[in-house]
Amino acid sequence: ETGVTQTPRHLVMGMTNKKSLKCEQHLGHNAMYWYKQSAKKPLELMFVYSLEERVENNSVPSRFSPECPNSSHLFLHLHTLQPEDSALYLCASSQGTSSGELFFGEGSRLTVL
Amino acid sequence: AQRVTQPEKLLSVFKGAPVELKCNYSYSGSPELFWYVQYSRQRLQLLLRHISRESIKGFTADLNKGETSFHLKKPFAQEEDSAMYYCALSELGGGADGLTFGKGTHLIIQP
Repeated sequence: ETGVTQTPRHLVMGMTNKKSLKCEQHLGHNAMYWYKQSAKKPLELMFVYSLEERVENNSVPSRFSPECPNSSHLFLHLHTLQPEDSALYLCASSQGTSSGELFFGEGSRLTVL
Repeated sequence: AQRVTQPEKLLSVFKGAPVELKCNYSYSGSPELFWYVQYSRQRLQLLLRHISRESIKGFTADLNKGETSFHLKKPFAQEEDSAMYYCALSELGGGADGLTFGKGTHLIIQP
């Protein structure tokens, strides 16, 4: 499979659950990103990884925990989320961070009950 | 702080009519501007960037530093242009980790 793949596509969880979102890119890129897309808000950058090292956090709450084990995989671990965290979470990749061209996945739609 | 404003949440035009999607930005440095597009049931993707000076799918966008604008234009709209369009900004050469997106404009082309 080519491009950026995200799983699961839909996730419903309670506030006490622990779950993870997964992203995989098959483009040979070395930078990966997590974005949050909420209704009525612009896309918000959450985390940036370049060469598997986190370079940006953007003051995201600690209930979101990213993990980048290698340049092709990115996870977003979720625990004790709030209903306001319900959103579409988009993963993206790029060749280095100096290019403005991002390649996005289809997103994981998260609903927190 | 950098900010991108897309004043129109929804824009509806008839097929064959000209289209202009507005984008204004606020940034103190040297900006690089982009337009991203998301067609129905497809993922978000780059449409064009100002430094390329290209016309993609008939769309063009000119960076106007005096008016701090980067409006997206097409002289004759086609039905397949219906999509969500997002304007984005970063520091020139600063890359994707500094991208700031606007809220998006939903373009509907009526037959």
